[in-house]
Amino acid sequence: KAGVTQTPRYLIKTRGQQVTLSCSPISGHRSVSWYQQTPGQGLQFLFEYFSETQRNKGNFPGRFSGRQFSNSRSEMNVSTLELGDSALYLCASSLDGDSYNEQFFGPGTRLTVL
Amino acid sequence: TQLLEQSPQFLSIQEGENLTVYCNSSSVFSSLQWYRQEPGEGPVLLVTVVTGGEVKKLKRLTFQFGDARKDSSLHITAAQPGDTGLYLCAEGSNAGNMLTFGGGTRLMVKP
Repeated sequence: KAGVTQTPRYLIKTRGQQVTLSCSPISGHRSVSWYQQTPGQGLQFLFEYFSETQRNKGNFPGRFSGRQFSNSRSEMNVSTLELGDSALYLCASSLDGDSYNEQFFGPGTRLTVL
Repeated sequence: TQLLEQSPQFLSIQEGENLTVYCNSSSVFSSLQWYRQEPGEGPVLLVTVVTGGEVKKLKRLTFQFGDARKDSSLHITAAQPGDTGLYLCAEGSNAGNMLTFGGGTRLMVKP
């Protein structure tokens, strides 16, 4: 079974631009979560989508948004990019129905904002 | 908000040595997961512990969940260079798939 895939793997943008990242979950998984990883703040939860609905949201500004499609693929968007948005953005999928919330992570998209 | 503290932050040891890393919480865990992350990759789940006092073994790795479910440890026996990576503990949420991660322990095993 193929793992979680994320595209693109690397991205360079400038301040003020916007960016869209894509995530394809493991086949059959209905939950997709997004995380931001930085050296200073570590891994932080952004949001979770389940059945095309945002189910949970972390403590990030409204510039960060996402959506999920009917095939469970998900995208996240960051508008008006700031230097501090430079990070590794990780997507994780879960079968759900699993009370222990075991998630499977993709390799991430490394975003650099200049 | 649940706070997870991991210690040590960094650990550099020689191949063949044993080590233990810790994860402590400000409150009781509902469940705890340990992940390992290698450079350029996403975290990979190693184990999930749920019951206080639980011990799980994965080859040379031994995971222990504290009796009060507020702490956990990961012990590696006879470390190998392939064990190098960032070890993260994380707590799940009862309201969906939302993990709260600790800051991690960055382990380097030198040959």
